[in-house]
Amino acid sequence: QVQLVESGGGVVQPGRSLRLSCAASGFIFSDYSMNWVRQAPGKGLEWVALMSYYEDNRFYADSVKGRFTISRDNSKNTLYLQMNSLRPEDTAMYSCARVPYEGDGFDVWGQGTMVTVSS
Amino acid sequence: QSVLTQPPSVSGAPGQRVTISCTGSSSNIGVPYDVHWYQQLPGTAPKLLIYGNTNRPSGVPDRFSGSKSGTSASLAITGLQAEDEADYYCQSYDSSLSGYVFGTGTKVTVL
Repeated sequence: QVQLVESGGGVVQPGRSLRLSCAASGFIFSDYSMNWVRQAPGKGLEWVALMSYYEDNRFYADSVKGRFTISRDNSKNTLYLQMNSLRPEDTAMYSCARVPYEGDGFDVWGQGTMVTVSS
Repeated sequence: QSVLTQPPSVSGAPGQRVTISCTGSSSNIGVPYDVHWYQQLPGTAPKLLIYGNTNRPSGVPDRFSGSKSGTSASLAITGLQAEDEADYYCQSYDSSLSGYVFGTGTKVTVL
């Protein structure tokens, strides 16, 4: 069964850091590019970052560039999102999503992990 | 802020046809980047509904159809059912942003 399970969310103070994980199963993780997408409470979807299956290509939304880093460990079938210098506006549900080919639709989504940035 | 614009809401009676527009620009929908559509039921993760402008993944009813023309795309739902009440988002890739973009989202209400 193809599955993505996120973890690592929680409540954090502004300016602090948090690392999210996305564990993949049921498919060959190293064959797919992976994304992080977030959704603030009551708001729409916002793409956050993409990491290509060939590892060295990473792309970020302007809103997180320079603060967030996407990475992956293909030996552990896991995607990560290191979030530094967190701001209240980063409060959202963070989900990972698989994309078969770049430019394609996101065909598998996790249920998400909630991040709340508040003092 | 989204660069793809959708109407905030559309509604229709059961059995009717509704359409959702998605307006972009020459750096996303207007270039040969595909448009994809997602359905998000309350409290759940988004589900890929239409990919590559017009294609339905396995298991998606043929009541859902997509189209693209110029810098705009549309999602049509025919034979509207109560279970179609959800939020719908379009998505494309944007060359000026070097990343994906989502639409502003449309809430579909079944009257």
